[in-house]
This record gives sequence, C-alpha cells and structure tokens, in this order.
Amino acid sequence: GQSLEQPSEVTAVEGAIVQINCTYQTSGFYGLSWYQQHDGGAPTFLSYNGLDGLEETGRFSSFLSRSDSYGYLLLQELQMKDSASYFCAVDAGGYQKVTFGTGTKLQVIP
Amino acid sequence: DGGITQSPKYLFRKEGQNVTLSCEQNLNHDAMYWYRQDPGQGLRLIYYSQIVNDFQKGDIAEGYSVSREKKESFPLTVTSAQKNPTAFYLCASSIRQGGTYGYTFGSGTRLTVV
Repeated sequence: GQSLEQPSEVTAVEGAIVQINCTYQTSGFYGLSWYQQHDGGAPTFLSYNGLDGLEETGRFSSFLSRSDSYGYLLLQELQMKDSASYFCAVDAGGYQKVTFGTGTKLQVIP
Repeated sequence: DGGITQSPKYLFRKEGQNVTLSCEQNLNHDAMYWYRQDPGQGLRLIYYSQIVNDFQKGDIAEGYSVSREKKESFPLTVTSAQKNPTAFYLCASSIRQGGTYGYTFGSGTRLTVV
C-alpha cells in the first residue's frame, strides 16, 4: 500500500518563506503532486515532480528526492491568501493509485 | 470556461434514504473520480472511471454506486448501506491516467445525515 506523512499544521509570517515536507512509502512510484485547498473549497493542482530536483512556478517551488522518498513544497513571499491546506499526493501508477496525504493547514499571520 | 460542476452544494439525507450526487465536466477528460473527505483525513477514493460504461472500485466503495453513461457525467449514489455518509464529497477528472497532469476538482457536495 501507500502512506504519506506531512505535518498537520504550520504557521508562518506574511512575507516569509515556508516549507511543507512530505515523506512517502509506496509500492511503486511515478511522481509527487501538490494541491492547495481553501476551507470549504475544491483542491487545486499546484505542481508535479516526476524526477528528482526542484520545479519552480512563480512563488511556489516543489522538490523531490526519490532516493529519500521525500519531497517538499516551498512557498515564498507569503501572502494572507496562501492560508489554506496543502496536500501531497503520490502517483504510484494507474488510475486508482494516486494517494493523498492528510494535508497541512498553513496559517499565514500578519 | 471549462470545469467540473457538482450539485447540490449541500445535501441532507434521512436514515435509510438513497441520495445521488451529480458531477458534470466539460473538459473532455476521459478519467473521472469520486473522493470522500473527512476532517483531519486526506482524500479517499470511492470510485473511478477511465472511459464511458466502465468504472472501478476505489478504497472505500462499500455503500456507494456510480454510473458512467456519458463521458461528461459521473453521478454518485450514496445508498442506505453506507453507515456513516456524512462527509464532503469531491468529484475530479483528469485528461489521462496518473497524476502527471493533475486532477481538476469540482467544488464539492457536503452531505449530512439528519
């Protein structure tokens, strides 16, 4: 089976940088995705890492180390609107094998 | 604009009732999924469908049923056999298998048993 671990809550100051970690154990691995979800809303796709290294999209970056079964989402220049839950998701191959973590609730404070 | 429409936004079910949640997409995506989200838990897969007239059980399919008669539509029925149906239900679609291109989610249906 698959299991993912990420911190349940993180608090950071507006304008700062925050890193949300995700470690995983899977029987197969194709890639790691990140999603953002505001309270009561729909998750939105942020990024996908299929290979080791850093992927940058504006203020958000995502990193993957396949040898360490580890990835992280880096948010820079934090804004109040970044307060949301962030989920990592492992793609272990096939339609049914995208497994989501339990989410990290990020609170951005002034 | 393309997207996924879920309805209703809120739904109340009496004990012993079946209810159906609607999910429609105009993204021309082949794959569609139903997830359940409970507080403090991740998204758990109920059912998924790769093509019309084909669907497969996910991790928590008991007490649920689906159909895929049209590419655009993937309704979920919560039956009376589902003992704890109160949850937030999310429908998603993807252009092809796997997570590479990401899932597009609908805005969800919040189901409450009364």
